[in-house]
Amino acid sequence: DAMVIQNPRYQVTQFGKPVTLSCSQTLNHNVMYWYQQKSSQAPKLLFHYYDKDFNNEADTPDNFQSRRPNTSFCFLDIRSPGLGDAAMYLCATSRGGAGQETQYFGPGTRLLVL
Amino acid sequence: QKEVEQNSGPLSVPEGAIASLNCTYSDRGSQSFFWYRQYSGKSPELIMSIYSNGDKEDGRFTAQLNKASQYVSLLIRDSQPSDSATYLCAVNTNSNYQLIWGAGTKLIIKP
Repeated sequence: DAMVIQNPRYQVTQFGKPVTLSCSQTLNHNVMYWYQQKSSQAPKLLFHYYDKDFNNEADTPDNFQSRRPNTSFCFLDIRSPGLGDAAMYLCATSRGGAGQETQYFGPGTRLLVL
Repeated sequence: QKEVEQNSGPLSVPEGAIASLNCTYSDRGSQSFFWYRQYSGKSPELIMSIYSNGDKEDGRFTAQLNKASQYVSLLIRDSQPSDSATYLCAVNTNSNYQLIWGAGTKLIIKP
């Protein structure tokens, strides 16, 4: 089955210790998104790629970076995690283009910062 | 600032009854509308999408769209305890392919 995969499902890191979350997709979608979601809040878009074009949201902290080495994979790097970065990180994909906005989510990575 | 508003709930509905979830949006140019279901600790999963005014039915779910009044709703018939979740409304404004998300309504179905 075509899907969006995220690894790891749970990540525990120490304050200030860099962490990388990964996402892969077999849907062959053009767009890949990274969201941060905290309890009882809407998913907050951090950035997205349309193919290789990177789009950063204006309020995404510099502490967050992303890489998309190929169509299938996308990574979220948190350079110096703080306690406030503990959240669920969601990867999503969509085909992109008019009428193609439906987003499909991976299972998410729960990040805990100690 | 384009916004999507939902009542946070919780909305408590008896098993077997109809659950009605509402969502309003600020951008009159919005074109595509989505309902996602999110169980606690899980990721959102697509329930329905709707693009035209009126009703769209899929099994026990009906999405209703009224662009003139800028609201979209989701009806769940014959509610089951397994429907207990947070329901997220998402809207595309057609200015690009991104979605604007509501914070969700928590639905509790009581046996």
